[in-house]
Amino acid sequence: NAGVTQTPKFRILKIGQSMTLQCTQDMNHNYMYWYRQDPGMGLKLIYYSVGAGITDKGEVPNGYNVSRSTTEDFPLRLELAAPSQTSVYFCASSLQGIDSPLHFGNGTRLTVT
Amino acid sequence: TQLLEQSPQFLSIQEGENLTVYCNSSSVFSSLQWYRQEPGEGPVLLVTVVTGGEVKKLKRLTFQFGDARKDSSLHITAAQPGDTGLYLCAGEGGSEKLVFGKGTKLTVNP
Repeated sequence: NAGVTQTPKFRILKIGQSMTLQCTQDMNHNYMYWYRQDPGMGLKLIYYSVGAGITDKGEVPNGYNVSRSTTEDFPLRLELAAPSQTSVYFCASSLQGIDSPLHFGNGTRLTVT
Repeated sequence: TQLLEQSPQFLSIQEGENLTVYCNSSSVFSSLQWYRQEPGEGPVLLVTVVTGGEVKKLKRLTFQFGDARKDSSLHITAAQPGDTGLYLCAGEGGSEKLVFGKGTKLTVNP
C-alpha cells in the first residue's frame, strides 16, 4: 500500500494564479483532511470530508475549495493564490475519523510570490 | 475553540539525557494523540491516550494523560539522535476536527 500520496512535492505560484493540490489514498478510508503548516504555528485544518460527496470547513477555509467525488481522492483548489497561502500543505486520512490514527502524506511545499 | 499549548517550543540536548515535553489545555479532551514529524515528512502517530491518569510506554518514550484529561506529557529516557523531530499533540476540537498544538522541536546532539 502506498498510503496517502500528495502531488506535487513543491510548487511556486505567482500571485493570482490557481492550482490544485492532489491527494489520493489507497486504504479505503472514509475520512480525509487538509492541513496547512506554517513555521512555529502547528497544523491548521482547512477542510475535511467524512465520505464521498461530503465536505466541510475547518479552521482556515478562506481562499480554498475542495471536492470529494470518490473515496480515494480529495483535491484542494487554490483559485487566486496570495502570499499568505505560502505554506506546507498536508493531506491526511483516517478509518474512523479522529477516533483512529491520522495517516499523513509527505506534504506539498507551496510558495506564492 | 479548544487550544493545546505545548512547551517548551524548542529543546536541544545531548545524547543520553532525559527530557519531558508538555501538552496543556484548559479544556477536557476525550483523548489525546502524540505525533512525531521528521523534516520533509508528514506527522506519524506515536500513541493515543484515552483514560485519565493513563501511562503508556513505547520503548524509551513514556506518555501520560492527566487525571483531569486536560494535559499530557511525553518523557524520553536516554535520548538518541534518532529522536530528533517535531513532537505534536492533538485532541478533538469538536465535530470530527482534530486540533494540534504548535509542537516541540527536539534536537538530540551526538
